[in-house]
Amino acid sequence: DTGVSQNPRHKITKRGQNVTFRCDPISEHNRLYWYRQTLGQGPEFLTYFQNEAQLEKSRLLSDRFSAERPKGSFSTLEIQRTEQGDSAMYLCASSPAGGRSYNEQFFGPGTRLTVL
Amino acid sequence: AQSVTQPDIHITVSEGASLELRCNYSYGATPYLFWYVQSPGQGLQLLLKYFSGDTLVQGIKGFEAEFKRSQSSFNLRKPSVHWSDAAEYFCAATNFGNEKLTFGTGTRLTIIP
Repeated sequence: DTGVSQNPRHKITKRGQNVTFRCDPISEHNRLYWYRQTLGQGPEFLTYFQNEAQLEKSRLLSDRFSAERPKGSFSTLEIQRTEQGDSAMYLCASSPAGGRSYNEQFFGPGTRLTVL
Repeated sequence: AQSVTQPDIHITVSEGASLELRCNYSYGATPYLFWYVQSPGQGLQLLLKYFSGDTLVQGIKGFEAEFKRSQSSFNLRKPSVHWSDAAEYFCAATNFGNEKLTFGTGTRLTIIP
């Protein structure tokens, strides 16, 4: 396994359109996270899954955003009615349940979203 | 509120010179601390982490960091930088039972020949 993968790497869309991103975590990692990173800022937490359960959501995650992890493996992040303010890098990370790597999050390359 | 501060937005050092990147945290409980590096077009790569124990931690690529509780700091150091170290560096923190990482705003490192 080569790490966390994200698709697509880049997405350009028009304002008002819906977009969906996919994240495939490291196999056997039961925790999966989504972050958003805007230019000149560090990543900001959006939401977190343990297996298929979404256990925490940030206030940044408006009702236009929805994330799923239906079988506890890959996850999708959908943004409905995109706005120019949604333009950012969307990062996915995964981590194992315990052991020495507890709370160590492994990040994917990100999906860069541009809303025109 | 929990926060991580990286006071330096941009640092320029000469190749072969030593490096220190600053990180200060504000957390109620003893934090878990991390340094990540992000190169253009790449994801965040973990350099090192501190959970407990020895306050001087060694990481990959010759980096080390020292946890100083009295100063609420976790500064990253490298004795001799290489041109390939040019990147964005992020300090992050969390604590036991908290799943989300709180990141600083990052420090961009430029290396000059």
